[in-house]
Amino acid sequence: GENVEQHPSTLSVQEGDSAVIKCTYSDSASNYFPWYKQELGKRPQLIIDIRSNVGEKKDQRIAVTLNKTAKHFSLHITETQPEDSAVYFCAASMGQAGTALIFGKGTTLSVSS
Amino acid sequence: NAGVMQNPRHLVRRRGQEARLRCSPMKGHSHVYWYRQLPEEGLKFMVYLQKENIIDESGMPKERFSAEFPKEGPSILRIQQVVRGDSAAYFCASSPSGTGDTEAFFGQGTRLTVV
Repeated sequence: GENVEQHPSTLSVQEGDSAVIKCTYSDSASNYFPWYKQELGKRPQLIIDIRSNVGEKKDQRIAVTLNKTAKHFSLHITETQPEDSAVYFCAASMGQAGTALIFGKGTTLSVSS
Repeated sequence: NAGVMQNPRHLVRRRGQEARLRCSPMKGHSHVYWYRQLPEEGLKFMVYLQKENIIDESGMPKERFSAEFPKEGPSILRIQQVVRGDSAAYFCASSPSGTGDTEAFFGQGTRLTVV
């Protein structure tokens, strides 16, 4: 069935280091790939997204890359800060109607100062 | 423009009771999605609705769970005869069109505890 796999499940970095989270998806028809950040006890919030006609997108310290052939996409956070600590979820559009978002299981990022 | 509103924020039910979770989408959004989040786990898709229509319910258990999004009023996720395993956070999201290429905005969630 439709599936999104996300790695690693936990990631610990020192402040100032880079963090990379990777996801693969199963449906070759997927065309929208958002990343959400969820702080403890709060709602998921979109941090960046990419569509299938683009290979890379950057927004300040955050970038996302997409390889449609290999069906994988990655989140890159540079110069990490303690406030980047949260759970990050990747997602891909798929489903019966082709428009539901299917999420990975999340990556808990811890940035220590 | 108010965000996605869910209520109640916290709901406690005894085993066998019914739980009703409400979601009011953002103004102008006619697409609603329900997700379940278990502790330490990701967001599991349950159902996708448009006004008066269920578009995709492939993630919803066949028994005890139902969802609706009437012409007027909020979307409702209904869980009958709750069991302890239903304890989770239930998030609703809305978008102005299908999430094929648009952002889905999430509500604060309803944390259901079954005792």
